[in-house]
Amino acid sequence: RKEVEQDPGPFNVPEGATVAFNCTYSNSASQSFFWYRQDCRKEPKLLMSVYSSGNEDGRFTAQLNRASQYISLLIRDSKLSDSATYLCVGPREYGNKLVFGAGTILRVKS
Amino acid sequence: DVKVTQSSRYLVKRTGEKVFLECVQDMDHENMFWYRQDPGLGLRLIYFSYDVKMKEKGDIPEGYSVSREKKERFSLILESASTNQTSMYLCASNTNGGTGNQPQHFGDGTRLSIL
Repeated sequence: RKEVEQDPGPFNVPEGATVAFNCTYSNSASQSFFWYRQDCRKEPKLLMSVYSSGNEDGRFTAQLNRASQYISLLIRDSKLSDSATYLCVGPREYGNKLVFGAGTILRVKS
Repeated sequence: DVKVTQSSRYLVKRTGEKVFLECVQDMDHENMFWYRQDPGLGLRLIYFSYDVKMKEKGDIPEGYSVSREKKERFSLILESASTNQTSMYLCASNTNGGTGNQPQHFGDGTRLSIL
């Protein structure tokens, strides 16, 4: 099982829609999770950290479900500019490094 | 804001050449990382460093070496470039502070083509 696993998509949604991505992880002791956004041919940029209590930033909400070992990202009122690849990041099974998921592609269409 | 600067955005080299990719960060971060990113494979860790002159192999170190002589600079070296090393190379850094892992901050990336 991969340490961090995401549905590659693509998720094709209309403007204004609500869309959610999940990401499963294997290290049950994990504490640190992040969502990154990556635009085509650009570097990944930190979107938000994922806390045990959840985290909300405007239209974006990140949740952690320890019992089922997944994190989620919810985007409300999707904009065309939200089109990107979203990378889930969590700790490695062993050691103190981070591992990146392969990414979920989101396409928001007018 | 954290600034991670990679020396080149685009680079074209020939097979067999020794290639140097440079990365500098300005936030006094202890840890620095080199990844390569290929379509369908995501980010793969090549090497990382948690202190000056310290380095550890990542998932795909073969054909690469690194150097960290100063805290702010982490260099990736392709000893003898091959065509299968054509890729996007990303440098990142983070700090040890706080609880658990801290997020990594990336440079703009270097698109390296080996002909």
